[in-house]
Amino acid sequence: KNEVEQSPQNLTAQEGEFITINCSYSVGISALHWLQQHPGGGIVSLFMLSSGKKKHGRLIATINIQEKHSSLHITASHPRDSAVYICAVSRGWETSGSRLTFGEGTQLTVNP
Amino acid sequence: EAQVTQNPRYLITVTGKKLTVTCSQNMNHEYMSWYRQDPGLGLRQIYYSMNVEVTDKGDVPEGYKVSRKEKRNFPLILESPSPNQTSLYFCASSFRVFNSPLHFGNGTRLTVT
Repeated sequence: KNEVEQSPQNLTAQEGEFITINCSYSVGISALHWLQQHPGGGIVSLFMLSSGKKKHGRLIATINIQEKHSSLHITASHPRDSAVYICAVSRGWETSGSRLTFGEGTQLTVNP
Repeated sequence: EAQVTQNPRYLITVTGKKLTVTCSQNMNHEYMSWYRQDPGLGLRQIYYSMNVEVTDKGDVPEGYKVSRKEKRNFPLILESPSPNQTSLYFCASSFRVFNSPLHFGNGTRLTVT
């Protein structure tokens, strides 16, 4: 079993729909990152979370440390949101270094 | 402009010919790291560095070397590349990975024949 699991692997939505991507992890973490990778390959950081909830525009990310689970929500989805969304967890602590483990990604396609 | 610069973007080489992929950041970040991305396996960490002269192995370090002599640079060295190192490579940096976002380079697509 992977230490970081994302669901779903693939998601197709109609423009305007509310989208949720889930990330579950099985290790202790110091932070969780949500990343976006566009078809050209570039990777952009969307959020870094260690607790609670963050919002940026139409994107919302939440994390439940006790349940080891995070969600990424996209409200009023748009075709330009089509990308691969990747969850990554930082497993280390400041005094002992840090390793990052990634989920396999969720391919999101938003149709007009 | 704050950025992570990776070079080259594309590289085709032959088995055994030493190569270096460069990574440089202009944000005074402490943390830098290298990843490879393969279909079906996702992103996997190769090496990371917490600061100058401090490096450590990630999940797939075999066949790779790194150095961090200056804060801004973190080159990835393949001393004797093999075909199984054909992959898409990313460098990333962060002020501190525990409480700061990651900034990625544009990637290097490496083919080893």
